[in-house]
Amino acid sequence: EPEVTQTPSHQVTQMGQEVILRCVPISNHLYFYWYRQILGQKVEFLVSFYNNEISEKSEIFDDQFSVERPDGSNFTLKIRSTKLEDSAMYFCAGRPGATGELFFGEGSRLTVL
Amino acid sequence: RKEVEQDPGPFNVPEGATVAFNCTYSNSASQSFFWYRQDCRKEPKLLMSVYSSGNEDGRFTAQLNRASQYISLLIRDSKLSDSATYLCVVARGGSYIPTFGRGTSLIVHP
Repeated sequence: EPEVTQTPSHQVTQMGQEVILRCVPISNHLYFYWYRQILGQKVEFLVSFYNNEISEKSEIFDDQFSVERPDGSNFTLKIRSTKLEDSAMYFCAGRPGATGELFFGEGSRLTVL
Repeated sequence: RKEVEQDPGPFNVPEGATVAFNCTYSNSASQSFFWYRQDCRKEPKLLMSVYSSGNEDGRFTAQLNRASQYISLLIRDSKLSDSATYLCVVARGGSYIPTFGRGTSLIVHP
């Protein structure tokens, strides 16, 4: 069964460092998302991506964040200068059509010290 | 009012019990509704979509009340393995951004 894969599974970084989280979506998916979940809190929408551009982003997704799909397969989330409050689980998700369920990766846990 | 609201629980029930979770949503333009399950420190996984006519999948029944902007999930004959957090997810039309509730924690004990 095809699945969404995310790397790294866990990354520890110092405050102010850049971090890149990677996702390989399911091949026939067209719509991609990044969500984050701070420990003990709800899953929060960050950004959606379709046709190689951002379709919508939340207030959380400020200038420190960027997304790319550089080679048609990998989908990356970059945080330029990490803050303590960026510590969270980051989930990549995709779906094949305009509506329907999301398929999530296992997540990347980011710890900022 | 929060976009998607759920009682966080925890609901602590014995094996075999029937338990019901509720969820309310604020945006009347919402068009798609789901229940996801999330185990501790894992990714959300789809439990079931929720249709206007209501739908059932084994021990799980989901209902949608558009007039009251309310979704429910009923679990019959609870198993130990049902212990998890149940996430209500609502997607509105247009941009179709699935929005998650905070989740309801279920603990099923022997």
